[in-house]
This record gives sequence, C-alpha cells and structure tokens, in this order.
Amino acid sequence: SAVISQKPSRDICQRGTSLTIQCQVDSQVTMMFWYRQQPGQSLTLIATANQGSEATYESGFVIDKFPISRPNLTFSTLTVSNLSPEDSSIYLCSVRGNTEAFFGQGTRLTVV
Amino acid sequence: DAKTTQPNSMESNEEEPVHLPCNHSTISGTDYIHWYRQLPSQGPEYVIHGLTSNVNNRMASLAIAEDRKSSTLILHRATLRDAAVYYCILRDSWTQGGSEKLVFGKGTKLTVNP
Repeated sequence: SAVISQKPSRDICQRGTSLTIQCQVDSQVTMMFWYRQQPGQSLTLIATANQGSEATYESGFVIDKFPISRPNLTFSTLTVSNLSPEDSSIYLCSVRGNTEAFFGQGTRLTVV
Repeated sequence: DAKTTQPNSMESNEEEPVHLPCNHSTISGTDYIHWYRQLPSQGPEYVIHGLTSNVNNRMASLAIAEDRKSSTLILHRATLRDAAVYYCILRDSWTQGGSEKLVFGKGTKLTVNP
C-alpha cells in the first residue's frame, strides 16, 4: 500500500496568481498521476509524472498552465498557473500499486 | 478507450444488500474490471477488481457476467459509511508515457438511508 500526503488541503487564491500543490508518497514510485475533479464531476487525468523526465500531459492540458516537477521518487508538485475561476476544482495526486491505485485526499482550490 | 455505463444514483437502506450494476459492452479480452469509491471529501479508494471470475474481499463482492459485458458490485450489508460515489473502471490502455491510466466515468452515487 501507499500513503499519500497532499498540501495544502485547501486554498483560496486570487485570479491571475498561481498555486503549487505538493504530493508526498511514503514509498518510492516510478509514476505519479495528477487528476482534476471539477465541482460535481468525475476525475480527469491531467498528466503523468515520471522522475527524471518531462511529464506527459493528457489532451486539453498543457505544461504552461499545469507545470509539474518530479525531483525524486517520492515527491511531486503540480502548479496551476494564471488562475481563473474555472480552475476552481479539487486536484488529486495518485500512485499505482501492484493491482490498485492510491489517491491523496485532494487539494480543494477556490479561485476568487 | 473502453467505456462503462452506470446508473447516476441508487438508494439503499442500512443493513440491506446493494447491487451496483455496470455495463461495459466494449470490454477487451485483457481488460480488468476495477471498482473504486469516493467518500465525501476524500480521494477515491480501491474496492475490488476482477477479470473473469467472481471475486470476494472484505469490502465487497464482484459478480462478472459470463460474456464480461457487465458486472455488479455487491455490498452485502450497506452501512451509512458506504454512502459514496462508486466508479466502475476498465483498466485502460497505455498512456503516451507508457503507463496505464485509470479513466473515471461519472459513477453511481449511492445513498444509504438509516
């Protein structure tokens, strides 16, 4: 199993600013995944982060808006840049175990 | 990507069994059927998965149709803590990065009445 800690758990940000979300895992993992969950919606994969290489983004998500760092095998950050009210969502990180995925508690972002 | 179809919502009474259906008519031969649930204000958590045979664990049972085009998650005795959104997911194809991704549908919101 894996335990994932996300920080912050929630934040309220002004439009035009950025928020960086941290994800810490209690074991070394090759891949980390970042998801977005818009209000009342399901989860959508933003990108896959490999240690030592550029993140791979899903269709509709770009690096300029969602830069990701992956400095080591237990840590990753997701930055949501140039915030607008449409970015108000829950952002979750996830890692894959042998047969199941583990998720952090999420970061609830409100843009005002 | 293979898709799943689930009812938007279901209701149950506490301590009664709950059968949550999922249709996946375009499932491929190597797709595993996974179930996750998301409790309020939590990240999703794994419930159960299977390939062809019915599966049981401490949380639930998974009944898979013989043609694999549908499955049913069974909670044997629902409790108030089982109120959540339940997602039926087929383990998808490789992402561009070469790793599997989980594609979440809309899921079924389960309400458990006391």
